[in-house]
Amino acid sequence: NAGVTQTPKFQVLKTGQSMTLQCAQDMNHEYMSWYRQDPGMGLRLIHYSVGAGITDQGEVPNGYNVSRSTTEDFPLRLLSAAPSQTSVYFCASSLAPAGGNTEAFFGQGTRLTVV
Amino acid sequence: AQKVTQAQTEISVVEKEDVTLDCVYETRDTTYYLFWYKQPPSGELVFLIRRNSFDEQNEISGRYSWNFQKSTSSFNFTITASQVVDSAVYFCALRGGYQKVTFGTGTKLQVIP
Repeated sequence: NAGVTQTPKFQVLKTGQSMTLQCAQDMNHEYMSWYRQDPGMGLRLIHYSVGAGITDQGEVPNGYNVSRSTTEDFPLRLLSAAPSQTSVYFCASSLAPAGGNTEAFFGQGTRLTVV
Repeated sequence: AQKVTQAQTEISVVEKEDVTLDCVYETRDTTYYLFWYKQPPSGELVFLIRRNSFDEQNEISGRYSWNFQKSTSSFNFTITASQVVDSAVYFCALRGGYQKVTFGTGTKLQVIP
């Protein structure tokens, strides 16, 4: 059972570079989201999607883009990396959000350093 | 807006002691869901429990128990007879309207042998 797969696990970028963090799930979950985890700040929601073709902003969306062309994939794009985007990124998915009574399954995380 | 507060940043206990992790939430929604997650030193996030706003029954699972009180907007987590393997960061989370999930800042628990 793959669950939620994130790649890469580690990445170092130079300021100004762009990159895409990949997230895929094989559980046919409608709801997917991206979080960043910073010391003392918990997990903060970047973007989320309630289904293919539908995305919305979370708490800290600036500097990030997402798209959801399929149910399985939800990539996160950093347009022009900045040191402030150094963080651990988690992708999560859960069943249809309408009921809300479902827990999120998380990927293993991507540790990103921007120098 | 919804908010989750975990006022305890770090807690240290000696093995076999009981420990309670506090979680206080704010939401205007009448229907909402509360969660606890564990993040061990390896970094992954592990789901522990969910509760909906209509179910105030406390729950016990082995050494873990949860006390949900709507009157005080709290969803506290108690570990009985703590063990070294319980050492982790524990997050409380709230899913309210629009399906956004808000996490608390986490409580780091260290269990000393």
